[in-house]
Parts: sequence; C-alpha cells; structure tokens
Amino acid sequence: SQTIHQWPATLVQPVGSPLSLECTVEGTSNPNLYWYRQAAGRGLQLLFYSVGIGQISSEVPQNLSASRPQDRQFILSSKKLLLSDSGFYLCAWDRGAEAFFGQGTRLTVV
Amino acid sequence: GQQLNQSPQSMFIQEGEDVSMNCTSSSIFNTWLWYKQDPGEGPVLLIALYKAGELTSNGRLTAQFGITRKDSFLNISASIPSDVGIYFCAPKDHYGGSQGNLIFGKGTKLSVKP
Repeated sequence: SQTIHQWPATLVQPVGSPLSLECTVEGTSNPNLYWYRQAAGRGLQLLFYSVGIGQISSEVPQNLSASRPQDRQFILSSKKLLLSDSGFYLCAWDRGAEAFFGQGTRLTVV
Repeated sequence: GQQLNQSPQSMFIQEGEDVSMNCTSSSIFNTWLWYKQDPGEGPVLLIALYKAGELTSNGRLTAQFGITRKDSFLNISASIPSDVGIYFCAPKDHYGGSQGNLIFGKGTKLSVKP
C-alpha cells in the first residue's frame, strides 16, 4: 500500500533562517506531488506541484521554492524565512483521481 | 479564472441533526473528492465521485456528483461529536494518470453542540 511521510511535524525557526521540509511517498511510482499551505482555520493554498523529477510548477509567487530530486521525494525550501511564512504545510500525492495527504508540518517563524 | 465556491463556511448543529454542504465551480470536472480535516492533521479522503449524477455513500456520509459536472454536495446524517472538523471539496480533472491540478474549496467548518 502507498504511504506518504512528511517531516518534521513541528518546527520553530527564527526570521531569516533557511527552511527545508521533506516529503516522501512509498509504494507507488511517478506520483504527482503537491505542497499546500494552510493558515489557521482557513483553506488550502496550493504552493507547488510536480508531475515528474525536476518538474515544478509554482502557483503563488513567494519566498518559497520546491524541488523534486527523486521520483518520490518533494522538498519545500526557503533561503530566508519571513514571519508571514508561518503556517501549516501539507504535502500530498496522487496518481490519477484520488489524492492523499501527509500529516503536515506546523511552522512557526519567530 | 476558475472559481470554486464552497458553502456554508461554518455550521453549528445539534448532535443528531443532518448536515448538508455543497460546492459549485465555474468549470467542468470529471472527479469530485470530499475530505475531512481534524485539527492539526492532514485532510483525509472521505468520498470520491467519478461520474456525473453519481450518488455514493460512506457510512453516514452521502455525496453526489452534480449532473452538470460543476457541483457536488456532501450530506452527513445523524451528526455526532466526532464529525467536528473542516470539510473540503476538491474537484479534479484526471486522465489516466496525467497531472491533475488539485484545488480545494475554502472549507466548511463543522461544530457540533453536545
């Protein structure tokens, strides 16, 4: 069966520090991968999606970037965090119709 | 651009009541997904709909794919406290594994009075 792992679960980082969140999927190949951000009690904002290794589409211009160095690995990064980068970050995958989410990373920038 | 409206934004209901929420889109889709998110966790897939007019149940949940392919509703019967959470619709186009840009409604926050 397929599983998705996202880490860390929580992260507190100072303003100006770098960020790296990792997401990996197991049990499937060539998945579509997604990064979302969710403000408290709000909807899911699509940040990036990828249909293959090295292929990244950005939905919202921002302080973040994404990379897909391997088929089932998706990384969300920032060189210098801003206070406004705080939020709940979710990774998801699909390979067709149904999509599945990781458990999320709660990022607090202080 | 594509517009997706989910309503209501929030609901307070008595335990045992039925709940209904819906999503409408300006575009046609070939799949509608419904998710529930508990606080601090990732959304969990509840129901997937693949055909216009399709009516699917999962326990106390029932969802329908609108005949126009631009809308869907989710009903929860006899609500219980653990139904609390945020419910999202997610319409999708997918063609045999090709990319489907997965967008979400803004969510319906459900609170149940014990």
